[in-house]
Amino acid sequence: GQQVMQIPQYQHVQEGEDFTTYCNSSTTLSNIQWYKQRPGGHPVFLIQLVKSGEVKKQKRLTFQFGEAKKNSSLHITATQTTDVGTYFCAGREAAGNKLTFGGGTRVLVKP
Amino acid sequence: NAGVTQTPKFQVLKTGQSMTLQCAQDMNHEYMSWYRQDPGMGLRLIHYSVGAGITDQGEVPNGYNVSRSTTEDFPLRLLSAAPSQTSVYFCASSYSVGPEAFFGQGTRLTVV
Repeated sequence: GQQVMQIPQYQHVQEGEDFTTYCNSSTTLSNIQWYKQRPGGHPVFLIQLVKSGEVKKQKRLTFQFGEAKKNSSLHITATQTTDVGTYFCAGREAAGNKLTFGGGTRVLVKP
Repeated sequence: NAGVTQTPKFQVLKTGQSMTLQCAQDMNHEYMSWYRQDPGMGLRLIHYSVGAGITDQGEVPNGYNVSRSTTEDFPLRLLSAAPSQTSVYFCASSYSVGPEAFFGQGTRLTVV
């Protein structure tokens, strides 16, 4: 079945620095979504990418969908303590309805 | 507008007991799903439904049953609880195939 892998699993970032988390699917996706989960909370939708090569920005967050629609990345600039949490990508298969989540990147920010 | 409501928030079961986790949404979403999240891990799809009367298995369906008699409700039944089912369970809903999945607050289940 479809597998979605995320790296790194953990990211320790100094406040003010940039970092990137990567997401790779074993199959071609119709779209990819990104979620953020704060400690003890539930996943909250951030964004969806649909088109090959698509790039979207939300303030300090930049999301990219690969040309082959099998990978994606999330880049955060000037990390703040409010960025603490786990970031998940979730891919929807090109043929099907299932949304498969990656294992997440847990972000810890050092002030 | 309540969104996605899960009950109970916490539950402790003894091995072999059965129970039903409730999930209700008031957004008229066709698509509903159940995930489990083990400590430090991602969300694994248990079962999902694309509409009333239609359900399908996800990645880890064994030990769980679902039904979808109405658009609003999607209960998850644990048939005979096992310690391996200790987890946080999330219900989610969305319009058809996206874009945004709305998650409930989660049910923390411990099986002893």
